[in-house]
Amino acid sequence: ETGVTQTPRHLVMGMTNKKSLKCEQHLGHNAMYWYKQSAKKPLELMFVYNFKEQTENNSVPSRFSPECPNSSHLFLHLHTLQPEDSALYLCASSLLPGLTYNEQFFGPGTRLTVL
Amino acid sequence: KNEVEQSPQNLTAQEGEFITINCSYSVGISALHWLQQHPGGGIVSLFMLSSGKKKHGRLIATINIQEKHSSLHITASHPRDSAVYICAAPSNTDKLIFGTGTRLQVFP
Repeated sequence: ETGVTQTPRHLVMGMTNKKSLKCEQHLGHNAMYWYKQSAKKPLELMFVYNFKEQTENNSVPSRFSPECPNSSHLFLHLHTLQPEDSALYLCASSLLPGLTYNEQFFGPGTRLTVL
Repeated sequence: KNEVEQSPQNLTAQEGEFITINCSYSVGISALHWLQQHPGGGIVSLFMLSSGKKKHGRLIATINIQEKHSSLHITASHPRDSAVYICAAPSNTDKLIFGTGTRLQVFP
């Protein structure tokens, strides 16, 4: 399998549930990102990992907890979410760190609905 | 006011038409990105440019650094070009600031 994959593609969860989103890239990239895309809003960067180290937390609430065990895998652990957290969550990767000059490769996204 | 503004927000066209999508930004940038998002949600990077013009197939992107404006053109548009087109400009802290996107529908 090539490119950036995300599982699950769709997720419905209650506010008391705990779930995890998974992202995997087979491109040999060294930087990985989590984005949130809410309806009618621009993409919002949530977290940045460079060489497995978190380098950016864009004021994301603690109910979102990222994990990067290695350069190929990125998780987003979810707990006690709110209905306004319903959105498309996109993972991306780039060969090198830095968003200015590096092309990002995006996964297909996980459509999350919080009831 | 968003630092990256796109126009139009929605665009419909007949197959074969020439399409132009505009992006204006207020941040000082060294490169600008154009992305394409298909209805399923997946995003593809189309262009990254810092000056002049780039061409890939029927897609052409231009940028005017002095005027802080970029355009994405699609020649001989096709229904499969229907998607949301997003421009993004890097901030001075190396984050990308995204526009809200232009939704394009091309009808046969």
